Amino acid sequence: RKEVEQDPGPFNVPEGATVAFNCTYSNSASQSFFWYRQDCRKEPKLLMSVYSSGNEDGRFTAQLNRASQYISLLIRDSKLSDSATYLCVVTRISSGSARQLTFGSGTQLTVLP
Amino acid sequence: DADVTQTPRNRITKTGKRIMLECSQTKGHDRMYWYRQDPGLGLRLIYYSFDVKDINKGEISDGYSVSRQAQAKFSLSLESAIPNQTALYFCATSVGGGGDQPQHFGDGTRLSIL
Repeated sequence: RKEVEQDPGPFNVPEGATVAFNCTYSNSASQSFFWYRQDCRKEPKLLMSVYSSGNEDGRFTAQLNRASQYISLLIRDSKLSDSATYLCVVTRISSGSARQLTFGSGTQLTVLP
Repeated sequence: DADVTQTPRNRITKTGKRIMLECSQTKGHDRMYWYRQDPGLGLRLIYYSFDVKDINKGEISDGYSVSRQAQAKFSLSLESAIPNQTALYFCATSVGGGGDQPQHFGDGTRLSIL
């Protein structure tokens, strides 16, 4: 089983739609959680951190459920520019006290006009 | 992200060749990372370095080596390239102080081994 699993999609939604992505992680010792965005043939960029109480940044809402080891990202009022691959990222303690990021393989979103 | 520069951007080479990918950063970050990205597998960590004297293996270090020549430079070498090392390679940086800091990625190097 992969350490971080995401539905690869693709999700094709019309402009203005609400879309939600899910992510599960297998290591209960995971400590920090993020969503990154990656445009086609570009580098990943941090979209937002995910906090235990849930957090919102404009049209984007992230939620964490530690008991179920589950993270979600909700995008409201989708824009064409939201088309990208969304990567779920989890950190864990590796050797010593170092923390490592583990990336999911991504969920592809296409917003259609 | 122009602050993290990878060279070359694209490279095609033959099996058995030695290849070096270079990464330089102007962000002043202590931590640097090398990842590879393959379709359906996401990004996987190859090596990381928390400062000039610190080198650590990641998830998939076999067949690779690294050198942290200075705080701003972190190079990745494939001593004898093989076709299954064909992938998109990313360098990334972050500030120190814990694993919660965002990572800043270079534009990537697309490497093809024939």
